[in-house]
Amino acid sequence: DSGVTQTPKHLITATGQRVTLRCSPRSGDLSVYWYQQSLDQGLQFLIQYYNGEERAKGNILERFSAQQFPDLHSELNLSSLELGDSALYFCASSVGQGGPEQYFGPGTRLTVT
Amino acid sequence: EDKVVQSPLSLVVHEGDTVTLNCSYEVTNFRSLLWYKQEKKAPTFLFMLTSSGIEKKSGRLSSILDKKELFSILNITATQTGDSAVYLCAVAVSAGSARQLTFGSGTQLTVLP
Repeated sequence: DSGVTQTPKHLITATGQRVTLRCSPRSGDLSVYWYQQSLDQGLQFLIQYYNGEERAKGNILERFSAQQFPDLHSELNLSSLELGDSALYFCASSVGQGGPEQYFGPGTRLTVT
Repeated sequence: EDKVVQSPLSLVVHEGDTVTLNCSYEVTNFRSLLWYKQEKKAPTFLFMLTSSGIEKKSGRLSSILDKKELFSILNITATQTGDSAVYLCAVAVSAGSARQLTFGSGTQLTVLP
């Protein structure tokens, strides 16, 4: 158990809908990272927040957005969902903004039907 | 574009065998290389390597980095069925003050009894 928690574990929704994934980092970690893992793309970095501020952006679609709250938990919002958005979404955390040693949560499996 | 390539893509061995997993990279602003083990769900951290030629060891696992030739290897000796997993290599690159991880596609290791 890494100490990073994610909810929900599974999510099934329809195309065009909007969902919110939630992540709580390990105690003491200020950075939160979001990743998408699909069969054909592997593990792809989406976005990083450090102490409430966006720090780095990867291959995140415009339909996706994230934020980190004062209590350091983070939410990833996915809107106008498409079938291709079906994937495992991981959150990871690290102490500093530079990581790089990141600890991963158990993931949220999103299925878009 | 940053690239991390792992080989082989999959490997099937018997208990007691020794395996070597490879990771080569082409990135700008290299900071460190990390190995993760992914079983059913979340990747779990194994090693972080920053200096060339210094072996990191943990039990039956060891890893070394060659920054001149831009590769790393992960060795597992006396394999056990519990070593069956996907092994992911990730390279941390500078993204301003942050560190962004680029992952390889992984090596699927299956250890048969």
